[in-house]
Amino acid sequence: DAKTTQPPSMDCAEGRAANLPCNHSTISGNEYVYWYRQIHSQGPQYIIHGLKNNETNEMASLIITEDRKSSTLILPHATLRDTAVYYCSRQSNAGKSTFGDGTTLTVKP
Amino acid sequence: EAEVAQSPRYKITEKSQAVAFWCDPISGHATLYWYRQILGQGPELLVQFQDESVVDDSQLPKDRFSAERLKGVDSTLKIQPAELGDSAMYLCASSFGTAGTEAFFGQGTRLTVV
Repeated sequence: DAKTTQPPSMDCAEGRAANLPCNHSTISGNEYVYWYRQIHSQGPQYIIHGLKNNETNEMASLIITEDRKSSTLILPHATLRDTAVYYCSRQSNAGKSTFGDGTTLTVKP
Repeated sequence: EAEVAQSPRYKITEKSQAVAFWCDPISGHATLYWYRQILGQGPELLVQFQDESVVDDSQLPKDRFSAERLKGVDSTLKIQPAELGDSAMYLCASSFGTAGTEAFFGQGTRLTVV
């Protein structure tokens, strides 16, 4: 199955790191891993993407395993505003993205 | 900041009626996507355009859905006739390129078929 697999929900304490896993065991060698988040009633918002190497930007870090079968999105210091649904997706060379069903992250005070 | 514009935000229609959604991508973005998102699930690609050409419409139910991007800028997605199972969020996204580029999503159109 080309879908990605994510846990349905996770909790995180405010100020702590949130680590969101994603399984994409059938990913092809030229497919990118993307992460988006979605707040209720809005469109998904891009967070980060990578191919083989780990990536970091101002929002998050992306750790991709060496065999590329899984990845982890890290929010280093979660805030209440990071409460959202986080989607992992795989993107083909042609740009087609295949999304999983997402992880609902709840950041608690 | 440039945004992907979609209208309407909400649409209620009766089954068997026709409905249309409009999307205006970010200026200069050649790639445009229409996704359908059922409540509790991730977005599913319906159709992808590169300029005015369809690149992928393998998941588009062509007996009732159609999409066009005549001048390679804005796009329209149509459903005729609408069915109860079409109730979902319809999302438009655009990107400058394809692989390895960021896709920007609009706010979506929430369709309810009654």
